[in-house]
Amino acid sequence: NAGVMQNPRHLVRRRGQEARLRCSPMKGHSHVYWYRQLPEEGLKFMVYLQKENIIDESGMPKERFSAEFPKEGPSILRIQQVVRGDSAAYFCASSPGPGTTHGDTQYFGPGTRLTVL
Amino acid sequence: AQTVTQSQPEMSVQEAETVTLSCTYDTSENNYYLFWYKQPPSRQMILVIRQEAYKQQNATENRFSVNFQKAAKSFSLKISDSQLGDTAMYFCAFMSSPGGNEKLTFGTGTRLTIIP
Repeated sequence: NAGVMQNPRHLVRRRGQEARLRCSPMKGHSHVYWYRQLPEEGLKFMVYLQKENIIDESGMPKERFSAEFPKEGPSILRIQQVVRGDSAAYFCASSPGPGTTHGDTQYFGPGTRLTVL
Repeated sequence: AQTVTQSQPEMSVQEAETVTLSCTYDTSENNYYLFWYKQPPSRQMILVIRQEAYKQQNATENRFSVNFQKAAKSFSLKISDSQLGDTAMYFCAFMSSPGGNEKLTFGTGTRLTIIP
C-alpha cells in the first residue's frame, strides 16, 4: 500500500508566480490535511478537506491561498503571487475517516519544499 | 484553543540508554487524542505512537512508550535502548475528537541526538 505521495518534492518560484502543490492520499483514505512548516518550527495546520468539500480552513491565510480535493485526482494546494515569506515545507497528511480502526490517525507525505526567490 | 508545549528544545543521550521527552498540553476537553511524530533528517514525518485520552493504559510500540497523566495534562515519550536511527526531531501533537478527524496541533519539537 503506497503511502501519501506529494509532488513536486522541491519547487522554486520567483516572487509573483503561482505555486501548485499536489497530494495523493493513501489508498482508501478520504480525508486530506495540509500543514506548513517554517524553518526550525513545528507544523501549523492550514486546511482539512474531504472529497469535493472543505471541512476546516481556519489555518489558511485569507488571501492568495486555496485548496481543493476534487472527486477525481489529487488534492491541490495553490498559492498565487508567492512572496518570500511563503518559503516553507508544505506537508500533506491523510486519514481513513470514521468507521475504521484508528480512522483519525494522520499519515504524512514527504513534503514539498517551496523556495521563493 | 489547545496548546502543546515541549520544554526541551534539544537533548542528547548515549546509544543504548533510555531517554524521556516531555510534553504538556492545555485543553478543556475530556476526550481527545495525543500523538508523537518523529522527523529525521530526511524531513519525513513518521508516526511513533498514539494515545486515546479515555484509555488509562499507556500506549507502547516496541522501544517507545508513553507516560500519559491526564490530570496533569502531561504526555511524555520514553525511548528505551536508544539507537542511532532515533536521532531526529520529535513532535508532540494534540487532536480534539468530538467527531474525530480533527486538525493536529503540534508542539515546537525536541531535537534528539543519539551519541555513538
